[in-house]
Amino acid sequence: GAVVSQHPSRVICKSGTSVKIECRSLDFQATTMFWYRQFPKQSLMLMATSNEGSKATYEQGVEKDKFLINHASLTLSTLTVTSAHPEDSSFYICSAIETRNYGYTFGSGTRLTVV
Amino acid sequence: QQQVKQSPQSLIVQKGGISIINCAYENTAFDYFPWYQQFPGKGPALLIAIRPDVSEKKEGRFTISFNKSAKQFSLHIMDSQPGDSATYFCAASKGGNTPLVFGKGTRLSVIA
Repeated sequence: GAVVSQHPSRVICKSGTSVKIECRSLDFQATTMFWYRQFPKQSLMLMATSNEGSKATYEQGVEKDKFLINHASLTLSTLTVTSAHPEDSSFYICSAIETRNYGYTFGSGTRLTVV
Repeated sequence: QQQVKQSPQSLIVQKGGISIINCAYENTAFDYFPWYQQFPGKGPALLIAIRPDVSEKKEGRFTISFNKSAKQFSLHIMDSQPGDSATYFCAASKGGNTPLVFGKGTRLSVIA
């Protein structure tokens, strides 16, 4: 089946530094990927929609200059959290649409802790 | 505005019992309704999904019931097992390359 690989699974960074999270579709091409953020015991909140070769579309309230999304190829999207602060600590999850079977496949998530 | 409303927030079921989780939506443009299971520290995994042209879909112990006129859908887990203890999310999308919108989740505990 469709597999989405997300790395790293967990990262700890110092406040003020930047962190990059990668999301790869391993056995299919994904023209569209999505990035979600999930706080403890809460639901997944959509941050942005990433389209290959074009600028990402951000949800209201999500700072595009802080959460940089790049979708340079049909199998890779990256989320960079710039100048991270403790309040950015969260679980970040990517998802891709597998168009052959019209399914949304999710990565395993990245636990970001900013200290 | 919450587009998909999910209930209950938490559920405790005896082993072997039936777990029922409900969701309601407002946007009639939604045409895809999946249910996801999530364990702590993991990404959500697709359990089962349905489209509006079908009123029920069953896969193993999992069944989705869909009521288009009421704009409601539910997940039934038959013969619930302790291993089913997890958080369950309903979701909906409008098709194409649109994102999934999630309910708030239900924390299921199956006790022996």
